Amino acid sequence: GAVVSQHPSWVICKSGTSVKIECRSLDFQATTMFWYRQFPKQSLMLMATSNEGSKATYEQGVEKDKFLINHASLTLSTLTVTSAHPEDSSFYICSASKGARGQPQHFGDGTRLSIL
Amino acid sequence: RKEVEQDPGPFNVPEGATVAFNCTYSNSASQSFFWYRQDCRKEPKLLMSVYSSGNEDGRFTAQLNRASQYISLLIRDSKLSDSATYLCVVNPSTDSWGKLQFGAGTQVVVTP
Repeated sequence: GAVVSQHPSWVICKSGTSVKIECRSLDFQATTMFWYRQFPKQSLMLMATSNEGSKATYEQGVEKDKFLINHASLTLSTLTVTSAHPEDSSFYICSASKGARGQPQHFGDGTRLSIL
Repeated sequence: RKEVEQDPGPFNVPEGATVAFNCTYSNSASQSFFWYRQDCRKEPKLLMSVYSSGNEDGRFTAQLNRASQYISLLIRDSKLSDSATYLCVVNPSTDSWGKLQFGAGTQVVVTP
């Protein structure tokens, strides 16, 4: 069964809207979660590393003021796309690992964001 | 050069046939390797980890060649449900836990 849950799975909204996406680890605690973005026919691109109780670490080129990450508990990380524009339309996926380093990541269901 | 490279395909495979494809990685210090499958408009799902000695899970066999820096996936007795994009995923080092590197995927289409 699923070990990482993501919500919502699909969002369509107008330009300028802020959108919050939730990522939850089910039956395990995740001090670290990861947020990815995937454009059609491209590989997943890591956006940021979400750390429980501290600031997220953003990859180069990702605007931290636009993509707000909050990891308030050991089972929940949220990504807020602020003032979304059509170019932000993408497939956003979170992941977490149940175990030690080197263990596989488990991905959330993904959120398909469409900005009109 | 991309960190992880895959042949995008598509590999058109008759049902019941065998298909194999590779993935190359650039960082020789990479520590762990995985194959995920991703169905259209869905999240990646772990298919199998890849171990140094090679490993098999049912109809799927994965191999790792550290000297040549590639991993491979072989699917035997292909089923229609095997149609998907297969992502090669590499964890480059122990210091970058979770900062996975992804290939763009190899598309496999199994036909009746």
